Amino acid sequence: QVQLQESGPGLVKPSEALSLTCNVSGDSVSSATYYWSWIRQPPGKGLEWIGNVYYSGTTNYNPSLNSRVSISVDTSKNQFSLTLTSVTAADTAIYYCARDIAPGRGSPRLDPWGQGTLVTVSS
Amino acid sequence: EIVLTQSPATLSLSPGERATLSCRASQSVSSYLAWYQQKPGQAPRLLIYDTSTRATGIPARFSGSGSGTDFTLTISSLEPEDFAVYYCQQRSIWPPVTFGQGTRLEIK
Repeated sequence: QVQLQESGPGLVKPSEALSLTCNVSGDSVSSATYYWSWIRQPPGKGLEWIGNVYYSGTTNYNPSLNSRVSISVDTSKNQFSLTLTSVTAADTAIYYCARDIAPGRGSPRLDPWGQGTLVTVSS
Repeated sequence: EIVLTQSPATLSLSPGERATLSCRASQSVSSYLAWYQQKPGQAPRLLIYDTSTRATGIPARFSGSGSGTDFTLTISSLEPEDFAVYYCQQRSIWPPVTFGQGTRLEIK
């Protein structure tokens, strides 16, 4: 079955960049059927969509993060990545990667999700 | 940005009871409304998409309904494992994809 696994540093200093990778198994990030997405959840709070990337490299971002976020796809490694710059304590959250359905390919839905990785922003 | 408002914030029920969770959108999202369940320490899990289609492996006691701006997730008879937080989500008018703030379903 399809599995997604996040990886990256668990601690990032304020003003630095947060970088995470999502490794995909059981499916291909080169598939034209899916978007590959990042979502985050501050401890004890709700879910916030960060953005997604298509196999072609086309991206969509949350306008609230647009100036600080970058998502890319690496088809050779079957993974996609998130970079968030100039982080503050407000960026402390569990970061999840998930698969979504591309427009015209079916009804949108985030499934499956990775287990999530906690990133703490602190000096 | 489409705002999704879930109600109630917390729902206290007993096993065997029927649960009705609401999600209201600030403008029409057509049928592109999904529901997720999240248990403590776990990632969200897709329950329902396209308003009423159950995801693979989701029991029949979970059902979704609605259209336009008003949607409902119903759990017909609560099992002990159903007590969790539930989120609705839309990807009709985006970016951004948006989620509701969640409804916590707790044991009474």
